[in-house]
Amino acid sequence: DGGITQSPKYLFRKEGQNVTLSCEQNLNHDAMYWYRQDPGQGLRLIYYSQIVNDFQKGDIAEGYSVSREKKESFPLTVTSAQKNPTAFYLCASSIDRTLGDTQYFGPGTRLTVL
Amino acid sequence: GDSVTQMEGPVTLSEEAFLTINCTYTATGYPSLFWYVQYPGEGLQLLLKATKADDKGSNKGFEATYRKETTSFHLEKGSVQVSDSAVYFCALSDKGGGADGLTFGKGTHLIIQP
Repeated sequence: DGGITQSPKYLFRKEGQNVTLSCEQNLNHDAMYWYRQDPGQGLRLIYYSQIVNDFQKGDIAEGYSVSREKKESFPLTVTSAQKNPTAFYLCASSIDRTLGDTQYFGPGTRLTVL
Repeated sequence: GDSVTQMEGPVTLSEEAFLTINCTYTATGYPSLFWYVQYPGEGLQLLLKATKADDKGSNKGFEATYRKETTSFHLEKGSVQVSDSAVYFCALSDKGGGADGLTFGKGTHLIIQP
């Protein structure tokens, strides 16, 4: 079955540690996205990538980094510079970035900083 | 910038009641509009979409019409079921405004009681 997988589902880290969230898709989509979801605030865009080896900052990129070395993979690193990292993180992909193109979402990773 | 406003929740209805969740938007270009649904602990699933004015999106008994004159995309269903209980997000994609990713509303939590 085609789809988007994110791992792990739950992740705990200590303050000051970097952590990497995995996102893989086998839909052959060019574009991939990372969003952060906080209670009562909807989703906010962290980073997006239109093609391999290219990515752009979204609305709340500070404290995060990404890479896009393969079409199928778009890992997100939450660095120690992110002041409030506890949140639900969602990865998405779309065929490309044309207007009206549907984004398909993974199941999410819930990150908790202890 | 672009924004989406949707009615605050939670919205509590009895089974078989009529549902309306209001959504209005502000965009600089000519956006595409989406409704996504999120079940507890899961990612987002596309419910329906419309890409131009007067288009009607529909799926699983839900409908929404793209109203450019009122900048609205209200979600409706004639007879809700307990299984419709979830959080519903209205979103837009406005490449013409230079943005990327989706702009989301804050979500409306729908609770259907038997």
